[in-house]
Order: sequence, then C-alpha cells, then structure tokens
Amino acid sequence: KQEVTQIPAALSVPEGENLVLNCSFTDSAIYNLQWFRQDPGKGLTSLLLIQSSQREQTSGRLNASLDKSSGRSTLYIAASQPGDSATYLCAVRPADFGNEKLTFGTGTRLTIIP
Amino acid sequence: DVKVTQSSRYLVKRTGEKVFLECVQDMDHENMFWYRQDPGLGLRLIYFSYDVKMKEKGDIPEGYSVSREKKERFSLILESASTNQTSMYLCASSLEGLPNTEAFFGQGTRLTVV
Repeated sequence: KQEVTQIPAALSVPEGENLVLNCSFTDSAIYNLQWFRQDPGKGLTSLLLIQSSQREQTSGRLNASLDKSSGRSTLYIAASQPGDSATYLCAVRPADFGNEKLTFGTGTRLTIIP
Repeated sequence: DVKVTQSSRYLVKRTGEKVFLECVQDMDHENMFWYRQDPGLGLRLIYFSYDVKMKEKGDIPEGYSVSREKKERFSLILESASTNQTSMYLCASSLEGLPNTEAFFGQGTRLTVV
C-alpha cells in the first residue's frame, strides 16, 4: 500500500528566504505527483503536477522536482512572502491502469514571518 | 478555469439526520471523488466515481453512500449522521486517464453533527 510522508509537519521561516518542502512515497510506480496548497478552512488549490517521466516543473516562484526511483519530491519556494503561509500537501497517483485514486501526505504547515 | 462547487461551506446537523452533500463540476470530468479531512489523519477517500452511475468504495466508506445520476454532479449521503462524522468534506474531479491530468477541488464543507 502506498504511503506518502511529509516532513516536517510545520515550518516557520523569515520572509524573503528560500525554502524546500519534502514529500516521500514508498511505491515508485506512480503516474504523477501533484502539489497542493490549502489555506485554513478552505479547499485545495493545485500548484504543480509532475508526470512520472518528468524531473521538474516550474510556476513562478515555485519549482517542484521528482526523483521517482528514490521516492522523493521537493517543492522549492523562492523569496518567500507572508502570503505563502498555508499548508502544502503532495499527492501521488498510482501507475496501475484504471486506478485514478490519489494518496495524500498529511501536509507541511508553512508560516512565513514578516 | 475548472470549477468544482460544493453546495454548502458550513452545515450543522443533528445526530440521526439524513445529510446530503452536493458537488458540481463544470469541466466534463469523468472522475469525481469525496474525501474527508481530519487533523492528524490527512485526506481519506470515502467514495470515487469514474462515470455516471458508477462508484467505488474508498478507504472509509462505512456510514456513507453516494449518488451520481448526472456526469457533473456527485452527491455524498450520510444515511444517519453521527458525531464521529463531524469533519471537513472535500469534493474533487479529474479527467480520466491522461498522465498530465490534475485533480481539482471544491472549497470544502465543514460539517458539524451535534
């Protein structure tokens, strides 16, 4: 059974710093990996999706990498801002045909200190 | 933009009531999902539907049922609400089969059962 882990559970950094969030998964047979952001009491907003054949995806100040063989993904946030404060979740989709179900990590709660 | 809309942001129901949570998506997605999210437990899949009138149990289906009579609408039903079903409920949708297909989420329904 796929397990997805995000460590640390919480992280506080001063504004302006670059930071890295980690996601690891136990089964490397994945179709893709998706990073989400969740603000308190709200739904999930999709940030980036990396297909299993890709190594990186970038959107603005965000860069996500994927090392499928070692079961790891990182989300790099450049020049952090207070508005980046949120919980960040990663989710993997299995590679078996017809299985569309995502497995989520429990998230990293990020606080950017002004 | 893909839009997934959940009918209520907040609901308060009494123990034993029958509760309907509605979700509508506007992008002709085949797949629709219901998750619940609890502190420390992350997102857990309740039910999944890959087509009209088709459904599959997720990890925690007990106490829930679903209905998908039209492609755009996926309903979660609590047959007899109990206090342990107090939670945040999240609906999601995605296209079938492509490796670059993202999952999109609604804004969430915070259900309190008293």
